[in-house]
Amino acid sequence: DQQVKQNSPSLSVQEGRISILNCDYTNSMFDYFLWYKKYPAEGPTFLISISSIKDKNEDGRFTVFLNKSAKHLSLHIVPSQPGDSAVYFCAATSNAGGTSYGKLTFGQGTILTVHP
Amino acid sequence: NAGVTQTPKFQVLKTGQSMTLQCAQDMNHNSMYWYRQDPGMGLRLIYYSASEGTTDKGEVPNGYNVSRLNKREFSLRLESAAPSQTSVYFCAAGGLRSYEQYFGPGTRLTVT
Repeated sequence: DQQVKQNSPSLSVQEGRISILNCDYTNSMFDYFLWYKKYPAEGPTFLISISSIKDKNEDGRFTVFLNKSAKHLSLHIVPSQPGDSAVYFCAATSNAGGTSYGKLTFGQGTILTVHP
Repeated sequence: NAGVTQTPKFQVLKTGQSMTLQCAQDMNHNSMYWYRQDPGMGLRLIYYSASEGTTDKGEVPNGYNVSRLNKREFSLRLESAAPSQTSVYFCAAGGLRSYEQYFGPGTRLTVT
């Protein structure tokens, strides 16, 4: 049972345009969400996160939006750059009862390609 | 400051062989994690250690064992490798109160 889903395996955008990566979740106990970026032959690196008490978090060119009623989050990259080409994973966790121990549940990933 | 390091980077095993993947962190985080990444599956948690001296199963623990040797080191052992364990393995470290995890560069394992 995939609790975090990224339904688009790949996305291709032109340099300078907006990239929108989507993520859906089914577990209503999830209350913290993260996006990771992964280049080939490297480990994932943390990009941006959002708590369920917020609906938006911005960090430079990256913005994450959370729609709790729809159990949906999205990552917007504006403007997109060729160096943003990578695999993007969304992840979720629940701190209910303080027993999550930081365990993350990841989506399948979306390959973003930004063309010059 | 190396962050999270993993050895080896690559390994080829025959079915039934055993091996240990090593992971070390110099970030002083309490929690450490082992994941595997397979095409179309994302990263799946194998085992985790919330603190030194404790370990617990994640989503896909079968066929693996772990040891939290000290705060810095967390190893993953395959006792009898199977082709289904062909994967890329990532170790991560993170604080209990911060959900952000820091990943090592990965070990690409092939079992023939």
